[in-house]
Amino acid sequence: AQSVTQLDSQVPVFEEAPVELRCNYSSSVSVYLFWYVQYPNQGLQLLLKYLSGSTLVKGINGFEAEFNKSQTSFHLRKPSVHISDTAEYFCAVRRYGGSQGNLIFGKGTKLSVKP
Amino acid sequence: NAGVTQTPKFRILKIGQSMTLQCTQDMNHNYMYWYRQDPGMGLKLIYYSVGAGITDKGEVPNGYNVSRSTTEDFPLRLELAAPSQTSVYFCASTRDSGTGDEQYFGPGTRLTVT
Repeated sequence: AQSVTQLDSQVPVFEEAPVELRCNYSSSVSVYLFWYVQYPNQGLQLLLKYLSGSTLVKGINGFEAEFNKSQTSFHLRKPSVHISDTAEYFCAVRRYGGSQGNLIFGKGTKLSVKP
Repeated sequence: NAGVTQTPKFRILKIGQSMTLQCTQDMNHNYMYWYRQDPGMGLKLIYYSVGAGITDKGEVPNGYNVSRSTTEDFPLRLELAAPSQTSVYFCASTRDSGTGDEQYFGPGTRLTVT
């Protein structure tokens, strides 16, 4: 079975500051890794994903994430946040070659960007 | 391209009533999913389908039913609504199951049971 832990439920940060949202996962099999963003009262939108290859993955809106296999982590970073980045961020995994294809989600991290 | 659409956007039900949440995708995806989102709990899988005529339970299926008569549609049925079913429901679809293909989400249905 797979599980995902997002270590911070809320992260307040000032505009133009850097931010890191932490994600650790547990799995006995290989997994794909995803970050989704949910803006208020909207559905989920893919930010980025790690499939294989380079461990640094770049996504939309200036976000990037680094896969660390030894630490089973997939932390999300942005060097300078904007007010518009205020949203909830979800880390998720999906097992390689699975027949169901569903995502296992963390509990989410609410990013609040203050002026 | 509409992607994944859900209706209704909002609904208030009384305890014991029933309703169907509609979900339609126009991407010809075989795989479809229903998740529920509760505050601070992330998203949990209710039911999924790997193709027309094939459905299976997820992590939290009790109190729900699904059907998949076409590739496009995957309705979720609530029978005998209970306050514990107050949640936001998301439908999603993807092209393939065991790859890194993105799951596309609908805008959600916010359900309150009182």
